[in-house]
Amino acid sequence: DGGITQSPKYLFRKEGQNVTLSCEQNLNHDAMYWYRQDPGQGLRLIYYSQIVNDFQKGDIAEGYSVSREKKESFPLTVTSAQKNPTAFYLCASSIALPLNNEQFFGPGTRLTVL
Amino acid sequence: SQKIEQNSEALNIQEGKTATLTCNYTNYSPAYLQWYRQDPGRGPVFLLLIRENEKEKRKERLKVTFDTTLKQSLFHITASQPADSATYLCALADDYKLSFGAGTTVTVRA
Repeated sequence: DGGITQSPKYLFRKEGQNVTLSCEQNLNHDAMYWYRQDPGQGLRLIYYSQIVNDFQKGDIAEGYSVSREKKESFPLTVTSAQKNPTAFYLCASSIALPLNNEQFFGPGTRLTVL
Repeated sequence: SQKIEQNSEALNIQEGKTATLTCNYTNYSPAYLQWYRQDPGRGPVFLLLIRENEKEKRKERLKVTFDTTLKQSLFHITASQPADSATYLCALADDYKLSFGAGTTVTVRA
């Protein structure tokens, strides 16, 4: 089955700790994205990557970091610098940039800071 | 500033009726507009894409219109079913990213 997997589904973190969210796709897509979703708000873009070894900041990149060492993997690290990290995090991929392409989303990771 | 606004309130409709959702935007010039469905606690699922030079697009019981003069898209679910209950998101596409609205929650009563 082709798709996107995210792990873990639920994650609890103490304040001051860094945490890494996993995102893997086997769709052979070049572009990958990380979004954050808060109640009553639209998805907000954190980082995106058009190709391996390249990534760009989205609208709310502060306090987050990413890497893209392999085509199929795009992990997101939520650092202690992120002031309000409790949210639902969604990873997505598309064949190329979204201009004419649908995005495929993973099941999400719900991060709670205790 | 850029803004995407969807129906501010949730939509409750009777099974068999048509649900109409609106997506209005300001300070965008999207080449494409997409609609997604999201169920609680899950990732969005793509439904339809409409280009700026297309007025209307259909897929089974779904219909989308795109009016670049009014800066508005309408999303219709005809002959609605309880299984259509979900949150529907509109998204505007520019060169490198999608910008999403907050979504409209639809509940279809049997």
